[in-house]
Amino acid sequence: GAGVSQTPSNKVTEKGKYVELRCDPISGHTALYWYRQSLGQGPEFLIYFQGTGAADDSGLPNDRFFAVRPEGSVSTLKIQRTERGDSAVYLCASSLMGGLGSPLHFGNGTRLTVT
Amino acid sequence: GENVEQHPSTLSVQEGDSAVIKCTYSDSASNYFPWYKQELGKGPQLIIDIRSNVGEKKDQRIAVTLNKTAKHFSLHITETQPEDSAVYFCAAKGGSTLGRLYFGRGTQLTVWP
Repeated sequence: GAGVSQTPSNKVTEKGKYVELRCDPISGHTALYWYRQSLGQGPEFLIYFQGTGAADDSGLPNDRFFAVRPEGSVSTLKIQRTERGDSAVYLCASSLMGGLGSPLHFGNGTRLTVT
Repeated sequence: GENVEQHPSTLSVQEGDSAVIKCTYSDSASNYFPWYKQELGKGPQLIIDIRSNVGEKKDQRIAVTLNKTAKHFSLHITETQPEDSAVYFCAAKGGSTLGRLYFGRGTQLTVWP
């Protein structure tokens, strides 16, 4: 079946611009996660949605980062006033439900480059 | 929060040999430990996981062991093949962190034919 889909696969933007990254989770998965992966590092947690609400947004680095999931399916990660340090691969994952019982399934990520 | 350390950062083995990757964690309340394989340009793919009430789990050539007392867990790959070459990540989920996983920094495994 279809996995987690992320668009675009690559995004190049200028410093100071606004970007939106989209995630389509596996159908029926109620939990959705955003992670950020820098070169040579493991994924770093950003935010976790259970349904439409953000259950844990403690990983968002500052108020330039925001994410929504208005209908409990597709999610958008929004970054305002981008900085060169925001350059990374942004990974989305979904699971059937939150908590211990459901493994995370990752998409292939969006590679964001801020010039 | 949780701190996961992973060793080694790189590992080269001959085809057919075994490979072992080790991780330690800091939060004694952590209760779920998945391992992911990541190929170039792809997202991490779950290969095996273990819960804190189990000491060992095996799936064909892959096994994971967990020592809760020492707070470390290991991935064992036997009869390695060139297609096992990838970056492997361990992760831990704390008891109080809902869906959040903490990842190690990864191990680049290279299997030479």
